[in-house]
Amino acid sequence: QVQLVQSGAEVKKPGSSVKVSCKVSGGTFSNYAISWVRQAPGQGLEWIGGIIPLLGTTNYAQKFYGRVTITADESTRTTYMELSRLRSEDTAVYYCARVGKAATLAGKLDYWGQGTLVTVSS
Amino acid sequence: DIQMTQSPSSLSASVRDRVTITCRASQSISTYLNWFQQKPGKAPKLLIYSASSLQSGVPSRFSGSGSETDFTLTISSLQPEDFATYYCQQSYGSPYTFGQGTNLEIK
Repeated sequence: QVQLVQSGAEVKKPGSSVKVSCKVSGGTFSNYAISWVRQAPGQGLEWIGGIIPLLGTTNYAQKFYGRVTITADESTRTTYMELSRLRSEDTAVYYCARVGKAATLAGKLDYWGQGTLVTVSS
Repeated sequence: DIQMTQSPSSLSASVRDRVTITCRASQSISTYLNWFQQKPGKAPKLLIYSASSLQSGVPSRFSGSGSETDFTLTISSLQPEDFATYYCQQSYGSPYTFGQGTNLEIK
């Protein structure tokens, strides 16, 4: 059974960075992409970007280009999402999700992490 | 970016009602359309992928249809556990955008 477990809640100052982790257990790690999605309080879902560990390729939404870096460590089956130059509007729950089709980001998000609340406040 | 527009934004219904939620894409996305259910404080749950394929473990009262730009999610007979927020998402092209959500409430 595939499970995604994320790191704990973070409180950050404006202008700083946050790095959220997502550890995958079960299934094959490298073959399947991981997407990152966020949800601001009371708002909808927003796709941030993703990584295909097997290929080492990343893809980011234009909105986050230059501020987000997604990496993967195959030895620990962990994916990381780092967001820099934080502002109050980045306060949200950040989710990782597995793409259930090999070697692509263009597929169904079939397994999700539990979410990590990132609060940006001075 | 491909814009996804859901309607209605909110909906009141009763147990055993038949409910339909619509999702429209700003351009053709073939059948690269997924539906999710989200309950408060929980991660989204995949219900339907590729417009009409039922995800494993999801009750058969959920069904999806459509192609190109127009899609629907139907719940044939609402159960108490179905009251939640529903999102569509296109997986045709990056960024993989979501609809704004439909909040399904108990009447």
